[in-house]
Amino acid sequence: GAVVSQHPSRVICKSGTSVKIECRSLDFQATTMFWYRQFPKQSLMLMATSNEGSKATYEQGVEKDKFLINHASLTLSTLTVTSAHPEDSSFYICSAADRPRGGQRVTDTQYFGPGTRLTVL
Amino acid sequence: AQSVSQHNHHVILSEAASLELGCNYSYGGTVNLFWYVQYPGQHLQLLLKYFSGDPLVKGIKGFEAEFIKSKFSFNLRKPSVQWSDTAEYFCAVRGYQKVTFGIGTKLQVIP
Repeated sequence: GAVVSQHPSRVICKSGTSVKIECRSLDFQATTMFWYRQFPKQSLMLMATSNEGSKATYEQGVEKDKFLINHASLTLSTLTVTSAHPEDSSFYICSAADRPRGGQRVTDTQYFGPGTRLTVL
Repeated sequence: AQSVSQHNHHVILSEAASLELGCNYSYGGTVNLFWYVQYPGQHLQLLLKYFSGDPLVKGIKGFEAEFIKSKFSFNLRKPSVQWSDTAEYFCAVRGYQKVTFGIGTKLQVIP
């Protein structure tokens, strides 16, 4: 159980175009989804936290107009990289946390997707 | 701000050797601590976690970790590694509302 998928797994696009990445929880309802970015030889960097039906909370330094996040349902969140540039090339990973149960914090256990490799030419 | 440091970036061990991966964190409040593992070509998976109670936490596949509050540490251990333990291991700390990951340690186990 607790499977998270991402699509696409790899995308190459031209500079100036927009790219949408989907993150789906396949067998559970995810009240909260997280988007991370990972540069080579660096740790995962949290970009934003999204809760179903509300606006995403972005980490400091992350441009919300550039990285649009939509969490329209309990099983789907999307990240759109708008007007992508070569410096946006990176590995983007999503994770999902299921519904909290009696006192459990929602961020306690995250289930990760396989990641999406974005290359902007 | 919270931070996590993993001391060993690349560890090479022979099968049956003992493993200890260091993890230290920086945060002034109550924390939850995690170790995640990423096997080659697979997703990040939760190995074990500490919320409260017994500071010695046992996880899957024979791994354990000890939370030492005075040292702000949460080191991962396994008494005898196997070739199948070859993977990248990430320590993470949850402070107020946010989880921060360490840079990861690549473990290579030689048969």
